[in-house]
Parts: sequence; structure tokens; C-alpha cells
Amino acid sequence: AQSVTQLDSQVPVFEEAPVELRCNYSSSVSVYLFWYVQYPNQGLQLLLKYLSGSTLVKGINGFEAEFNKSQTSFHLRKPSVHISDTAEYFCAVSDRVDYKLSFGAGTTVTVRA
Amino acid sequence: DTGVSQNPRHKITKRGQNVTFRCDPISEHNRLYWYRQTLGQGPEFLTYFQNEAQLEKSRLLSDRFSAERPKGSFSTLEIQRTEQGDSAMYLCASSPRDRGETQYFGPGTRLLVL
Repeated sequence: AQSVTQLDSQVPVFEEAPVELRCNYSSSVSVYLFWYVQYPNQGLQLLLKYLSGSTLVKGINGFEAEFNKSQTSFHLRKPSVHISDTAEYFCAVSDRVDYKLSFGAGTTVTVRA
Repeated sequence: DTGVSQNPRHKITKRGQNVTFRCDPISEHNRLYWYRQTLGQGPEFLTYFQNEAQLEKSRLLSDRFSAERPKGSFSTLEIQRTEQGDSAMYLCASSPRDRGETQYFGPGTRLLVL
């Protein structure tokens, strides 16, 4: 079984400032790692994923994340946020067999002008 | 590519009634997943199908819940004798055969049980 902890429930940030969302996971097997974004009253959209290889993963909308195996972390970053980045962000893990996702509780990012 | 669609988008029902939700996955995606998301929480896995076979059900899926995927195309999730605790967003996702790890989510069905 896997579990995910998102260390910040809410992150307020000013427009054009950098943002980092922290995610730690635990698992007894090798996993895939994901970040999803959810805008109000919508489903989830995949931002990026780590499957293998380079530990720095680039995704859509200027987001990137770094996989750190020793710290079992997968933190998400963006160097300069926009008002449109205001949303809920979910970190998730899956095993490599049935791919069912285990999500963290989410981080609400609010971008202010 | 029309994406994953779910109907209805919203459902209000009275306690004790039965409800059914439908999910249409992306064409030719062989896996289909159902998740439940309550307010302020991340989605939780309920069940998944590979083609028409239901391969796993979470302990969250009580006997009042049943899911089907006839012919490996669309899927339905039925809740019998709804309870107020069933109020949640029900999300469906599908994934393709060659990239099974990548799930594409629908917009969800929001259920409110009064």
C-alpha cells in the first residue's frame, strides 16, 4: 500500500513569485509519481509524472518537480506564478501493476495580484 | 479526442433513493477507474475495470455500491439506498493500453444526498 502526505494545506502567493508545493510518500514497492491540478468544479488534469530516469521532470504550464528517492519526496515548483494558477494541487502515487492512484489531501494555491 | 465524459454532472437525491452515474471513457482506453472525492480531501480509489472485467474493489465500496462496464465501453456506478455520507464528487478516469499509468479524468458527478 502507498500513502501520500502533502505538507501544506494552503499556500498563498503573490503573482510572479515562485511557489513550491511539498509532497512526501511512502511505499513498500517502486512507484510512479504524479501531480494533478483541479480547478473549481472540474476534474483533475495531469501536470506531470515521474516514471523513471531523470529525477527532474518538466510538465505543463511551466511546472516542474524533482523526485528524491532517499527523502521519498516529489516537490512541485514553478518559478513565477500567474493568477490563473489558483487551484487545488494533488500529489499522487501508483504502483507499477494496476496503476490505481493514491492521492494526498491537496494543497490550495491562491495567487494574489 | 473528446475526453472522458460523465453524466449527470450534478445529482440531488433524498436519503434512501437509488442513483446511477455514467462514465464514457476516451475511445479505446482499456482501463477505467472510479474514485470518490469528499470536500477538502483528495480522491479515493473505489474500483477499476480492464475491458469489461472488474479487477479490484476498494473496501470503501460497500454492498450498496455496484459498478459495471458492459462490453468494455462505458461504465455505470449505482448506489442503492443512498445515505448522507454518500455525498461526494464521483470521478471517473480512463487510461490507454500503451500508457496505462496515465489516467485521464472526467469532470465528475457531484452527488448531494438530503
